[in-house]
Amino acid sequence: GAVVSQHPSWVICKSGTSVKIECRSLDFQATTMFWYRQFPKQSLMLMATSNEGSKATYEQGVEKDKFLINHASLTLSTLTVTSAHPEDSSFYICSARDQYGERRNYEQYFGPGTRLTVT
Amino acid sequence: QKEVEQNSGPLSVPEGAIASLNCTYSDRVSQSFFWYRQYSGKSPELIMSIYSNGDKEDGRFTAQLNKASQYVSLLIRDSQPSDSATYLCAVNRRGAQKLVFGQGTRLTINP
Repeated sequence: GAVVSQHPSWVICKSGTSVKIECRSLDFQATTMFWYRQFPKQSLMLMATSNEGSKATYEQGVEKDKFLINHASLTLSTLTVTSAHPEDSSFYICSARDQYGERRNYEQYFGPGTRLTVT
Repeated sequence: QKEVEQNSGPLSVPEGAIASLNCTYSDRVSQSFFWYRQYSGKSPELIMSIYSNGDKEDGRFTAQLNKASQYVSLLIRDSQPSDSATYLCAVNRRGAQKLVFGQGTRLTINP
């Protein structure tokens, strides 16, 4: 149980284009999902928290108009990197929390991540 | 002072020995504590959660929590080369949705 998937696992795009990353909870309802970014040899950096049916809460310094987050259902959240630039190249990881199910606690389960390269 | 602090390592332990990973946190109202393992190039994987003072054992892993000292640790018994990874300590404050992560400790198990 507690499986989170991400798609795609890797993507290469040209500078100026937009990329959408999907995060799905496969065996539980995720009322809250989180999006992280990790650069090589650095710590996880939380970008935003998204709650189903409401606007995402962005961390300080993260541009909400550049990183669009949608959490339209209890099993799906999407992150769209708009007008991507080479400096956006990173490892993007989502996580999900099962607030109302068996795991009624604050455990977060991570997806496998999406490696984005912007050329 | 960082909210969650870990020794970044690297920590080298011989195969078969006990690896001890430590974490301190600054916010006294923290209520949930987690250890994640992250292999190079992969996403974090939850290996232990602990919510009350004392020890919690799961296979070769033991988490220890001391809220008075604001200290949480992870012991790995009979260390294997496959345990070589970065271990992340994460803390959740009461009422908060997000976890606060330490910077991680890189552990190397030497055959």
